[in-house]
Amino acid sequence: KAGVTQTPRYLIKTRGQQVTLSCSPISGHRSVSWYQQTPGQGLQFLFEYFSETQRNKGNFPGRFSGRQFSNSRSEMNVSTLELGDSALYLCASSLAGDAAYNEQFFGPGTRLTVL
Amino acid sequence: KQEVTQIPAALSVPEGENLVLNCSFTDSAIYNLQWFRQDPGKGLTSLLLIQSSQREQTSGRLNASLDKSSGRSTLYIAASQPGDSATYLCAVRPRAGGTSYGKLTFGQGTILTVHP
Repeated sequence: KAGVTQTPRYLIKTRGQQVTLSCSPISGHRSVSWYQQTPGQGLQFLFEYFSETQRNKGNFPGRFSGRQFSNSRSEMNVSTLELGDSALYLCASSLAGDAAYNEQFFGPGTRLTVL
Repeated sequence: KQEVTQIPAALSVPEGENLVLNCSFTDSAIYNLQWFRQDPGKGLTSLLLIQSSQREQTSGRLNASLDKSSGRSTLYIAASQPGDSATYLCAVRPRAGGTSYGKLTFGQGTILTVHP
């Protein structure tokens, strides 16, 4: 069974630009979560989508947004990029819901560099 | 607010040693706790998931325990190998209704180096 895939793997952008990252979950998984990882802040939760609906959101500015499609694939968008947005963006998928057995599986990440 | 702490921040051991990584969390209202491994520049690999009702889980040379009441988990690695060198992260899933959907709260990780 294929794992979580993320594209692109690497991106270089300049300040003020916008970027879209893509995530394809494991087949059958309906929940997709996004995380930002930086050396200073570690891993921080961005948002979670289930059945095309955002169910939860972390403490990030409105420049960070996302969506989920009917096939459970998800995209996240960052507008008006800032230098501090440089990070590894990780996507995770899980079956669904809040069950205690729900295990999250992560993709390889997209490395975003903002110049 | 849930806070997760991992001790030690870094650990260097000779090959063959048994070792323990520690994780503590401040709010015991959790659904589960997961241990992950991360190689430099890569994504996270799930190692073990312990449900809140469980005390431990085992996979090969790895054993993770959970003491929810004291807010602690340990990851035990037996007979360490150089290939075990990586950053180990623990994460808890809060049991907080709608605000818990999909959200894991991570520790800062333990950087493990196993030298031959």
